[in-house]
Amino acid sequence: QVQLQESGPGVVKPSETLSLTCTVSGGPLTSYYWSWIRQPPGKRLEWIGYIYYRGSTNYNPPLKSRVTMSVDTSKKEFSLRLSSVTAADTAVYYCARGAAEAPLYFDHWGQGSLVTVSS
Amino acid sequence: EIVMTQSPATLSVSPGGRVTLSCRASQSVSSNLAWYQQKPGQAPRLLLYGASTRATGIPARFSGSGSGTEFTLTISSLQSEDFAVYYCQQYNDWPPLTFGGGTKVEIK
Repeated sequence: QVQLQESGPGVVKPSETLSLTCTVSGGPLTSYYWSWIRQPPGKRLEWIGYIYYRGSTNYNPPLKSRVTMSVDTSKKEFSLRLSSVTAADTAVYYCARGAAEAPLYFDHWGQGSLVTVSS
Repeated sequence: EIVMTQSPATLSVSPGGRVTLSCRASQSVSSNLAWYQQKPGQAPRLLLYGASTRATGIPARFSGSGSGTEFTLTISSLQSEDFAVYYCQQYNDWPPLTFGGGTKVEIK
């Protein structure tokens, strides 16, 4: 059973960098695309971007200038960094696996990590 | 960016009832549409992809139809565990991948 688990600080100060890591267990990290998706309180899901296990990335254009994703296949982890955060970045952040048939919908999700931007 | 619009925002249904949820795309997404179920405090769960193909382990009471810009998710006989929020997501034209605003199915 594939499981994803997000980890990272629950509170980040405005203008600082949000950092989250997703650890994959029960299945391979290789051969898949891995996405970050967020959900601000009371709002719809927003795709942040994906990273392929080989390291190629694709980001949501409005966030592209602030987002960096990385992957560590030896640790079966991938990470998100979002710089210059504001209150608008407060959200539950999910990591998710792109389906094998097409990496652009998501067949496994983490439980989510609430990140609050506050001084 | 393709905008996904779901209706209604909330649906009140009795257990055992039939439910039809709507998802509309601002431009054609072919059949590149997925549906998810999300319960409070939980991550979304993939129900359907390709507009009508059930994901692994999804009961047959969930079905999907449509192509282009109009899609529906039907739950044939609502069970207690089906009360949740349902989201559609297009993956035809990206970046970005985009989600609808959700339909909440609540107990009548």
